[in-house]
Amino acid sequence: DAMVIQNPRYQVTQFGKPVTLSCSQTLNHNVMYWYQQKSSQAPKLLFHYYDKDFNNEADTPDNFQSRRPNTSFCFLDIRSPGLGDAAMYLCATSRDLSGAYEQYFGPGTRLTVT
Amino acid sequence: AQTVTQSQPEMSVQEAETVTLSCTYDTSENNYYLFWYKQPPSRQMILVIRQEAYKQQNATENRFSVNFQKAAKSFSLKISDSQLGDTAMYFCAFMTSGGSNYKLTFGKGTLLTVNP
Repeated sequence: DAMVIQNPRYQVTQFGKPVTLSCSQTLNHNVMYWYQQKSSQAPKLLFHYYDKDFNNEADTPDNFQSRRPNTSFCFLDIRSPGLGDAAMYLCATSRDLSGAYEQYFGPGTRLTVT
Repeated sequence: AQTVTQSQPEMSVQEAETVTLSCTYDTSENNYYLFWYKQPPSRQMILVIRQEAYKQQNATENRFSVNFQKAAKSFSLKISDSQLGDTAMYFCAFMTSGGSNYKLTFGKGTLLTVNP
């Protein structure tokens, strides 16, 4: 029944140690998004894929990368996590980019950096 | 750039009562979408209701309705007959229609607590 799945739900990594967060979808949507949500703040878009086309937000740090090997999966790689990268990371999908299409969110991965 | 403002960081309401969450936005666009998303504790964000700016009629979804005032750039959410399961963070969000601006811009959220 789950449509947007994120693994793991909780991730602890050490300062500077690369970490990968995973997102998968059963909706066959064209678009997959990654958001960062810090405590008590609004979600902030990091980047999105439209099919295989990657679109980075201008203010997303170079430390954050993404891969989409196929329609169903998308990964968020943080190359050298800092303490400021501790946050909830939300994956979302939509059929297309327009606001006419709902974004479906996963439950998020809470990242702790020690 | 578009901005979304939610002026109520926290609100509470008694079960079965009605509550209204406020949202204002700023844009120079004429065509856009407005959304209310609900994020329950430890659960995923879900869409509550959507309004297209060119539609004058306010959107309604069961107990949820909006008051869309385009000239005032206001988009409030009314929850009728509040239920305990409505306890959540509510985000107001904006997206322009068409062009290359695909991004949802969220407000900072309003934490709603429904008390028994």
